[in-house]
Amino acid sequence: GNSVTQMEGPVTLSEEAFLTINCTYTATGYPSLFWYVQYPGEGLQLLLKATKADDKGSNKGFEATYRKETTSFHLEKGSVQVSDSAVYFCALSERDRGSTLGRLYFGRGTQLTVWP
Amino acid sequence: NAGVTQTPKFRVLKTGQSMTLLCAQDMNHEYMYWYRQDPGMGLRLIHYSVGEGTTAKGEVPDGYNVSRLKKQNFLLGLESAAPSQTSVYFCASRDQSARQETQYFGPGTRLLVL
Repeated sequence: GNSVTQMEGPVTLSEEAFLTINCTYTATGYPSLFWYVQYPGEGLQLLLKATKADDKGSNKGFEATYRKETTSFHLEKGSVQVSDSAVYFCALSERDRGSTLGRLYFGRGTQLTVWP
Repeated sequence: NAGVTQTPKFRVLKTGQSMTLLCAQDMNHEYMYWYRQDPGMGLRLIHYSVGEGTTAKGEVPDGYNVSRLKKQNFLLGLESAAPSQTSVYFCASRDQSARQETQYFGPGTRLLVL
């Protein structure tokens, strides 16, 4: 089956620190991988995505590389800001045997707090 | 272009009461989804729809019903609310194209069942 496992939080960092949030997945097909971000009191927003092995998704200084050999999609940022404080969700969407339903399977989310 | 909107934003129900959550999208998307978010659980799919007049069960459908009478609207109903349905509910939509995989989420509805 399909599942996503991401590191448990909360993660607390000082401004300008390096961020890594680990994400690994299991999938029966060829998934696309996503990171969504949820700011306090809001819905989820797409942060970045990658659709095939070795693709790198990037946005707002965040990066993640689709690693098929390790079934991972770790999120990184070189220098976090207070405004990055949010909950981050790793997710996969499997192109299921021709279906384009695109159901998302989410990890449990990682709370990031950045202090000034 | 409002994207995905949800009403109400917050609601308190007593056990056994019923209510309907409304999701509306103005992006002409075929696919729509209802999720619930619980602490430490991520988002779990309740029901989904691949087009007007069609619905299907997701991962946790029990206690909920849905309808998609118009393409832009997706309604989630609770016929007899239970405390276990206290949660934050998110609606999402996406284009049917295999290339357009991004789901767009509404701001959520917080539901408290006493």
